[in-house]
This record gives sequence, C-alpha cells and structure tokens, in this order.
Amino acid sequence: GDSVTQMEGPVTLSEEAFLTINCTYTATGYPSLFWYVQYPGEGLQLLLKATKADDKGSNKGFEATYRKETTSFHLEKGSVQVSDSAVYFCALRGNQGGKLIFGQGTELSVKP
Amino acid sequence: DAEITQSPRHKITETGRQVTLACHQTWNHNNMFWYRQDLGHGLRLIHYSYGVQDTNKGEVSDGYSVSRSNTEDLPLTLESAASSQTSVYFCASSDTTGLRTEAFFGQGTRLTVV
Repeated sequence: GDSVTQMEGPVTLSEEAFLTINCTYTATGYPSLFWYVQYPGEGLQLLLKATKADDKGSNKGFEATYRKETTSFHLEKGSVQVSDSAVYFCALRGNQGGKLIFGQGTELSVKP
Repeated sequence: DAEITQSPRHKITETGRQVTLACHQTWNHNNMFWYRQDLGHGLRLIHYSYGVQDTNKGEVSDGYSVSRSNTEDLPLTLESAASSQTSVYFCASSDTTGLRTEAFFGQGTRLTVV
C-alpha cells in the first residue's frame, strides 16, 4: 500500500540556518503530496502542497518540489526562525480514495 | 467561518469504560476521518467516512467504531477503553475524494485511559 517515510527528528537548528526535512513516498499512480505543520498544543495545518510531478509548493518561505523520478518531496527553508519550531508531517493522497497517508513527523526546534 | 471542532479537548477515563469523542464540521464536507497520534508513529488512520451511512476501517480500527448519521458529525466510540488507547485523537474533513483537496483538522482530543 501507499506509504510515506520522513527523516527522523528531532532536528535542532540555530536561527537563520538552512532547513531540509527529507520525505520519500511509495504510491501507485500519481498522488498529491502535502506538508502539514503542527504547532505545540494545536491541530495540523496545511503548509503547502503539490499535485503533479515537478510542481513546487511554497508558503511562508517554505518550499517543496514534487520529484517523481526520486519519489521525494523534501521540505526546505532558507532561513528558519524560532517561530518555525513545530512538528512537520509529510503526507500523500493517492489512489486509495480521499485518505491522507502520513509520515511519522519530524520535530524541529529552532534556537535563538 | 467554517470550522471543525472536537470535544472534549481532554478526557481521562478508566479501563473498560465506553468513551465517545465528538467531531463536528461546518464545511459541509463529505469526507471525514479519525486519526490517532502517537510518538514515533505519526498519524494513523482509525476510521473514515465518505458520506452519510458510509463508514470504513483504517489501519488501526480494532476497539473503535464510528457512525455517520448526518454530514456534520462523525463520533468515535471506544467500546471498552484500554491503556493502549491513550493517545491524541484528531478528526479531519475534506471536500471530495479528488486528489487535489486538502484536509482540515480539528484541535485534537487528548485521551488518557487509567
């Protein structure tokens, strides 16, 4: 079945550092790919999405490119802020109907 | 504004008791989902529904049930609570089964079974 694998955390960075969180997926067909963010004590919010190969999703300085050849959707940000501290989830919606399949989440901690 | 709300936000119950977690959405979405979040496992799908009277089992459905009698609500019932069901539960909804539609999440319910 469809699955998502994320790099394990926690990831600790200093403010203004470059961020990469790796995400790879297994799916039949052409899934849509998502990054969700969960701030402490809150639910999940959509951060960005991409619906077809080579699409780039972007929001709040974060970017991710849908790479079908490497089945990847890595999240990047050029300069992180303390306010970016959160848990980040990669997810896909594929041929299994409307279900979202999630990775295990990566906790990011940004220090001043 | 449309929203999705879960209640209660926190619940402590005893082993063996029946517990129901509520989820209510005002998006008029057809699809509704229940996930549980546990450290090291991310979010795992418990049950889901694509419309009224439709329910389906997810990957961790044992010990849980749902019913969908209207569009707005998908309550999750733990038939006989177990300590292994201590977790944070999230409800979500989305508009269609199409590939391009994001899901909206509630704030979560933290359930502790003692």
